Amino acid sequence: ETGVTQTPRHLVMGMTNKKSLKCEQHLGHNAMYWYKQSAKKPLELMFVYNFKEQTENNSVPSRFSPECPNSSHLFLHLHTLQPEDSALYLCASSLSEARGSTDTQYFGPGTRLTVL
Amino acid sequence: KNQVEQSPQSLIILEGKNCTLQCNYTVSPFSNLRWYKQDTGRGPVSLTIMTFSENTKSNGRYTATLDADTKQSSLHITASQLSDSASYICVVRLPYNNNDMRFGAGTRLTVKP
Repeated sequence: ETGVTQTPRHLVMGMTNKKSLKCEQHLGHNAMYWYKQSAKKPLELMFVYNFKEQTENNSVPSRFSPECPNSSHLFLHLHTLQPEDSALYLCASSLSEARGSTDTQYFGPGTRLTVL
Repeated sequence: KNQVEQSPQSLIILEGKNCTLQCNYTVSPFSNLRWYKQDTGRGPVSLTIMTFSENTKSNGRYTATLDADTKQSSLHITASQLSDSASYICVVRLPYNNNDMRFGAGTRLTVKP
């Protein structure tokens, strides 16, 4: 295991539901990331948090709302999603965004989201 | 057009055989290029990382090469094992923003007994 856990592993929700994805890292890292992985498409970086502060939002629709209460936990709150939002959502952590470009990200197993 | 193109999209080989996966990129300049392995139901795991000045990097049976002149990288797997069945993703990092990365769509490798 990588030291990054995600729950739930699978989620099916309707377009009017509100749900949250949770990510926890046990590595003592200070940076956390949310990615979207759609079938046969490249990974898309969604959000970055460094020392609990959001440092990156890659034009993600407001129906996705991240929350980082501390350096070990990261949430992705979902509401009024669309079927095209169905994908694997991956969380990752690294020592620190400031460590430079060779900082290695450790990924969780992902949450498989299906929007009906 | 994606700035990082991987080929083939999928590949099936027999156990024990070698294979080479390709990554062509148009990103320039760049800071480093990384290869990830992603098992089914898991997140990606870093295999190798090369800066723009490095030509090769090995990790056990995995050897990555980089030709910055032709903007090509390859991942060579020697004596394949069933556990090598996974997706392999090439990622190029830009130099000015640590979070500015270009991901390939991956190559799906299946190793059969």
